[in-house]
Amino acid sequence: QKEVEQDPGPLSVPEGAIVSLNCTYSNSAFQYFMWYRQYSRKGPELLMYTYSSGNKEDGRFTAQVDKSSKYISLFIRDSQPSDSATYLCAMSGPYGNNRLAFGKGNQVVVIP
Amino acid sequence: EADIYQTPRYLVIGTGKKITLECSQTMGHDKMYWYQQDPGMELHLIHYSYGVNSTEKGDLSSESTVSRIRTEHFPLTLESARPSHTSQYLCASTPRTDTDTQYFGPGTRLTVL
Repeated sequence: QKEVEQDPGPLSVPEGAIVSLNCTYSNSAFQYFMWYRQYSRKGPELLMYTYSSGNKEDGRFTAQVDKSSKYISLFIRDSQPSDSATYLCAMSGPYGNNRLAFGKGNQVVVIP
Repeated sequence: EADIYQTPRYLVIGTGKKITLECSQTMGHDKMYWYQQDPGMELHLIHYSYGVNSTEKGDLSSESTVSRIRTEHFPLTLESARPSHTSQYLCASTPRTDTDTQYFGPGTRLTVL
């Protein structure tokens, strides 16, 4: 079983819709949870960072962590064509030394 | 925004060639990382460094080597490139005082013919 599961299936939504992405994980020692956005032919850029269970909001983006279910989510409200990208979840904690475990990434396409 | 640079951005070479992928950051970050990324797959850590003269192998077996002679510079070398090395290579860094967030460069797309 992979430590981090993220369904990589492409997701197409109309502009203005809410995008919902999620990852599950198996290692309860993970403490820090991140979402990265990666545009085509670019490196990942940090989008959201959370530590504890609960919600964190930043503009149109909301990151949610449920440690009891080992489940994290990213919501994008009022999606825009510029949100079209691959979104990767990442988490860390059990290894120390800042090593991250990544999901496979979700390709999101927002259709104007 | 992180200032981390990778060169070249794209490289097409023949089998057996020696290549070095460059990575530099201007932020004084102690920790640096090299990842390999293939379409639809997770990022795999191939090398990392916690500071000058510190290098470690990551999770993914790799025929590459790295060096860390200066804080800002973390080059990755393939002594003899093969088609199986065709991939996207991403460099990242983390400041000493940060928790686990990593800042990525734009990547090098390597194609070995």
